[in-house]
Amino acid sequence: ETGVTQSPTHLIKTRGQQVTLRCSSQSGHNTVSWYQQALGQGPQFIFQYYREEENGRGNFPPRFSGLQFPNYSSELNVNALELDDSALYLCASSLLGSTSYEQYFGPGTRLTVT
Amino acid sequence: QQQVKQSPQSLIVQKGGIPIINCAYENTAFDYFPWYQQFPGKGPALLIAIRPDVSEKKEGRFTISFNKSAKQFSLHIMDSQPGDSATYFCAASGYSSASKIIFGSGTRLSIRP
Repeated sequence: ETGVTQSPTHLIKTRGQQVTLRCSSQSGHNTVSWYQQALGQGPQFIFQYYREEENGRGNFPPRFSGLQFPNYSSELNVNALELDDSALYLCASSLLGSTSYEQYFGPGTRLTVT
Repeated sequence: QQQVKQSPQSLIVQKGGIPIINCAYENTAFDYFPWYQQFPGKGPALLIAIRPDVSEKKEGRFTISFNKSAKQFSLHIMDSQPGDSATYFCAASGYSSASKIIFGSGTRLSIRP
């Protein structure tokens, strides 16, 4: 069974730039959720993708957007980067429609905005 | 109310002791209460989880106690080891694996040898 993977591991961007982060879901899972974890805080839900469509969104502005592909992998795009976007970005995969409630997290991408 | 309140913020325990981390929630629609363990530079790893129809769940050295009427739950780590030193997050979510997870603010646990 393949776990959740994310790329890149680390990224440094300048304020105003755009960034794309990638996530491959665990084998057999069909749903990907993205979270932002600021330093010293718990993860905050950004949005979730199922069947290539957004399936719920947290309190994040539209410059945070995403995609899910037919193989269930996903991208998180952030436009017009701000200093406060510096955080660990986590994706979690799960199987919608199963009796299991579990979501499994990847190792994250550390984004630094200067 | 979507918030999950967690305490303490940090905790230091001697090896072999029993650290206890407490959480409280408001939203009675929450139906699933996982605990995650996170080491520096890593993503959260699911440790143990409970549904509100049971009052206690044990997995190895980890025990969740759940009080539905008080809307509180806690994590106990028996015979704690230095390798248990990590940040622990309680969380809550709705009725399916598609539900967003609401995390507590985390407890930084340090187990002294």
